Amino acid sequence: GAGVSQSPSNKVTEKGKDVELRCDPISGHTALYWYRQSLGQGLEFLIYFQGNSAPDKSGLPSDRFSAERTGGSVSTLTIQRTQQEDSAVYLCASSLGQKDSPLHFGNGTRLTVT
Amino acid sequence: QQQVKQSPQSLIVQKGGISIINCAYENTAFDYFPWYQQFPGKGPALLIAIRPDVSEKKEGRFTISFNKSAKQFSLHIMDSQPGDSATYFCAASNPGGGADGLTFGKGTHLIIQP
Repeated sequence: GAGVSQSPSNKVTEKGKDVELRCDPISGHTALYWYRQSLGQGLEFLIYFQGNSAPDKSGLPSDRFSAERTGGSVSTLTIQRTQQEDSAVYLCASSLGQKDSPLHFGNGTRLTVT
Repeated sequence: QQQVKQSPQSLIVQKGGISIINCAYENTAFDYFPWYQQFPGKGPALLIAIRPDVSEKKEGRFTISFNKSAKQFSLHIMDSQPGDSATYFCAASNPGGGADGLTFGKGTHLIIQP
């Protein structure tokens, strides 16, 4: 079946511009996560959505970052006034939302801020 | 308390050899320990997982060894193949679940030399 889809796969933007990254989770998955992976680094948690509950935004690094999930499905991560340190791969994952349900990751969006 | 320490950061193993990646944790509430495998340009994918009520779990050439008293667990890849070259992340989950209930190690970049 279809996996987690992220778009665009690559995004180059100028410093100071806003960007939107999209995630289409697996159908029926109630939990959705955003992670950031800098070059050669680990997985930095950004934000978590579970069903209709308020999102866990504890990992967002600054108020320039925001995310929404419409209709319990598609999610958009928005970065305003991008900075060079925002350059990274942004990974989206979804799961069934039960404890220890495996995370299914998309292939990420590689963001480059010039 | 929430940290999972993973080592080594990088590892080179000859084809046919045994690859060993280690993780240690402090939070005794962790009750589920998955390993994720990430190939270049792809998102991580669940490889194998273990619960603390068993000391070992084997799936094909991949084995998790778990030492509850030492609060350590490790991934062993037997007869390592060039196709195993990837980044491996250990993780630990606490009973609360959710995004902050899953803590990832910083990853090990594994290269299997032909």
